[in-house]
Amino acid sequence: AQSVTQLGSHVSVSEGALVLLRCNYSSSVPPYLFWYVQYPNQGLQLLLKYTSAATLVKGINGFEAEFKKSETSFHLTKPSAHMSDAAEYFCAVREAQGGKLIFGQGTELSVKP
Amino acid sequence: NAGVTQTPKFRILKIGQSMTLQCAQDMNHNYMYWYRQDPGMGLKLIYYSVGAGITDKGEVPNGYNVSRSTTEDFPLRLELAAPSQTSVYFCASISTTNEQFFGPGTRLTVL
Repeated sequence: AQSVTQLGSHVSVSEGALVLLRCNYSSSVPPYLFWYVQYPNQGLQLLLKYTSAATLVKGINGFEAEFKKSETSFHLTKPSAHMSDAAEYFCAVREAQGGKLIFGQGTELSVKP
Repeated sequence: NAGVTQTPKFRILKIGQSMTLQCAQDMNHNYMYWYRQDPGMGLKLIYYSVGAGITDKGEVPNGYNVSRSTTEDFPLRLELAAPSQTSVYFCASISTTNEQFFGPGTRLTVL
């Protein structure tokens, strides 16, 4: 069965600093991996996805993530944080041959001026 | 396309009451999902469906039921509402190219 672990329920960075949000997965078959962002009292917005093409995936708002099979990781990064990046971020995994889409517990990103 | 629609947006139930949360999509997607999100928590998968007539349990199915008689509709049924079911419920669908669509959510309170 697949699962997702997000390391750190809360990450705080200064404006302009690097953003790194960690996600590790387990899956018995090649996975599809996703990052979502959720602003307060809103639904989820897809940031980016990995579906077995290029291992470095670029998403919206300057975010990118790298699929590392050897480390079973899919960490989300952004070179320079903006105040508008403050939100909750969720990593999710879906087995390529299956239907279940499982989410991590989320990481709240705070950006300090 | 209307995308994924959910009704109602808000609902207050008394303990023991029943209700159905409606979810519909007009994109002909086979994969559909129901999640609940508790405050400060991630999304937990309740049930999912890979096509009409096929449903399967997710991570937290107890207290819920689903049906998938058509490709478009995927209703979630609460038979005996309990305070522990107070949550925000999201329905979602996924296309064959992994484009994902979430409904706006239903905020349910059980008192």
